[in-house]
Amino acid sequence: SSELTQDPAVSVALGQTVRITCQGDSLRSNYASWYQQKPGQAPVLVISGKNNRPSGIPDRFSGSNSGNTASLTIAGAQAEDEADYYCNSRDSSGNHYVFGTGTKVTVL
Amino acid sequence: EVQLVESGGGLVKPGGSLRLSCAASGFAFSTYTMNWVRQAPGKGLEWVSSITSRSSYIYSADSVKGRFTISRDNAKDSLYLQMNSLRVEDTAVYYCAREDLAGAFDFWGQGTLVTVSS
Repeated sequence: SSELTQDPAVSVALGQTVRITCQGDSLRSNYASWYQQKPGQAPVLVISGKNNRPSGIPDRFSGSNSGNTASLTIAGAQAEDEADYYCNSRDSSGNHYVFGTGTKVTVL
Repeated sequence: EVQLVESGGGLVKPGGSLRLSCAASGFAFSTYTMNWVRQAPGKGLEWVSSITSRSSYIYSADSVKGRFTISRDNAKDSLYLQMNSLRVEDTAVYYCAREDLAGAFDFWGQGTLVTVSS
């Protein structure tokens, strides 16, 4: 299967930690990347590879991988972290890409 | 500063054609694989197509294969998406995105809206 499954929505209290998961067979042989998308804006890469943060991404964002599951953790969530988050990876063929179903993160 | 600017979107009837463009600046365009990703209204992201730096390899999602063609002109720092036989379900914001060496989409344009409707 080339699908990546995410929980539709999660909520987190301001300053607390939230973990978003992404499951799929392709993750057994490919790292996931994670993107943040706010309403009306283009996606922004927040985590790639094993656990790499692009320049300008706060260190409260981190990623991990285990088996068929990739996780994005936001430690000490801020109001500005409220957004949709998508994972993606190459599919099993290695030539195509697949995006996760997306998780809406609400900061309470 | 890396910039990707899409253009060419608009309203088109089912069965029609449209050509999207993405103008790149601020980086060595000719050395990067580029991608198109789309997002239907209120829906998630969907990868559409990719093209390697010298156009040696081109891949497309099954949903657009045979109808959409990705291309690039490295002399003009531009990426294109020729869309033929458009369907209502192709209605979406289309983004161009740069791919880094790890396979992540590290820079995105602001997108261009394609609406397919009679």
